[in-house]
Amino acid sequence: QQQVKQSPQSLIVQKGGISIINCAYENTAFDYFPWYQQFPGKGPALLIAIRPDVSEKKEGRFTISFNKSAKQFSLHIMDSQPGDSATYFCAASKPGSARQLTFGSGTQLTVLP
Amino acid sequence: ETGVTQSPTHLIKTRGQQVTLRCSSQSGHNTVSWYQQALGQGPQFIFQYYREEENGRGNFPPRFSGLQFPNYSSELNVNALELDDSALYLCASSVNRGGGGYTFGSGTRLTVV
Repeated sequence: QQQVKQSPQSLIVQKGGISIINCAYENTAFDYFPWYQQFPGKGPALLIAIRPDVSEKKEGRFTISFNKSAKQFSLHIMDSQPGDSATYFCAASKPGSARQLTFGSGTQLTVLP
Repeated sequence: ETGVTQSPTHLIKTRGQQVTLRCSSQSGHNTVSWYQQALGQGPQFIFQYYREEENGRGNFPPRFSGLQFPNYSSELNVNALELDDSALYLCASSVNRGGGGYTFGSGTRLTVV
C-alpha cells in the first residue's frame, strides 16, 4: 500500500522559474512531513520539514505548503537554479517506537540554464 | 562532526550468496535505520536498531537481519540473495529512534547477478 503519493514523476523548469512538487498521504496518524533532496550517487539530505500544526514553512527559496484537510503537502522552489537539479522525495512519519519514514516515489527535477 | 559513512560503496554478488553491509553512525547518534532504494523508487524502511536491539521492522523477510554495536555502528546482513535485492542500501542515523530527524549515508550499491 503506497501511503504517500508524489507527483509529477519528472519536472523541467527554466532557470529562475518556480518548481512545484506535490504529495498526498492517506494515514492521518502522520505528524511529520520532511522533504529530501538526493543527488546521483548520494544519500537523501533533509531539505525542509513541517508539522501539521502550521500551513506553511519557508526556508530561503524553499517553501512547504500543508493542507491538513485535503491530506496534501507540496514543495515550492522559488527562483530555481541549475544546481537544484536533483531528485526530490517527500516523506512522512508517525509517532511510534521507530518513527520510520515513508517516502514518496520521487520527482526528478531538471532546471535548464 | 563526522557524518554517516557506509562501506563498501559498491558490491556485486551472485544469487544465493550472503552479504554484509556496514554503517558508522554520525557522532552523537544512537539509532541506526536501514532503507532499501530500488532504482527510480523512494527508499523503503527495512528496520531500525536502538541501543543494540531491533526497534522496528518494515515489510522485509527474515533473511534481512542486522546488528548494532556498542559504538552505535551497524551491519545489515542479507542471506540467500535474490536478483530483486539489487538496490541502493541506505543507512540513516538519528538520536533516540528518529525523533530529531535522520542523517543518511551515501549508500551501498548492491548488484545481484
